[in-house]
Amino acid sequence: EIVLTQSPATLSLSPGERATLSCRASQSVSSYLAWYQQKPGQAPRLLIYDASNRATGIPARFSGSGSGTDFTLTISSLEPEDFAVYYCQQRSNWPPPRFGGGTKVEIK
Amino acid sequence: EVQLVESGGGLVQPGGSLRLSCAASGFTFSSYEMNWVRQAPGKGLEWVSYISSSGSTIYYADSVKGRFTISRDNAKNSLYLQMNSLRAEDTAVYYCARDYYDSSGYFDYWGQGTLVTVSS
Repeated sequence: EIVLTQSPATLSLSPGERATLSCRASQSVSSYLAWYQQKPGQAPRLLIYDASNRATGIPARFSGSGSGTDFTLTISSLEPEDFAVYYCQQRSNWPPPRFGGGTKVEIK
Repeated sequence: EVQLVESGGGLVQPGGSLRLSCAASGFTFSSYEMNWVRQAPGKGLEWVSYISSSGSTIYYADSVKGRFTISRDNAKNSLYLQMNSLRAEDTAVYYCARDYYDSSGYFDYWGQGTLVTVSS
């Protein structure tokens, strides 16, 4: 079973700042990793797939990097609408696809 | 516009049954693989089940195997989840989610979710 560990649990930043979120896998998932954004009361939204590819309609300020066991989601300059919970998800050797525990990006 | 609309959630007693539905529109439903993903109150996301575009291939999470059944009706553009022998730990918002591309394992469109509460 592949376990995804996200850090930090909470990130307190101001609008305009850069956000760096981490996702570590318990074993290699190659590049089969996605990132989702979820706002309160809403469904998740796919941001990044295959570690570094932006999904359709996702702004360029969102970028993903990494391979193997260590991955990063970077938001280059936080907009007010970016404050949310972010989940990573792996699809290597699925089923099942598994999600990390989430990182909450909150306004400082 | 792609839309997924879940229905059928509600309060059910432990051991009871419930059938969730997901009505799809705005895309060729019969061409896409579909999934159910759930989220317990205040918790993270858990994948529940997958069904191929034709319905011939199905997978379940270990936590629901033998109790839940996924199905689809491509003529009605609908996805279903039959949930039997429900437990308190099945309490969650259940989302239907479309596979981004063939067997991608990524989910690009999600419904708004339907809440299932298992309690006596």
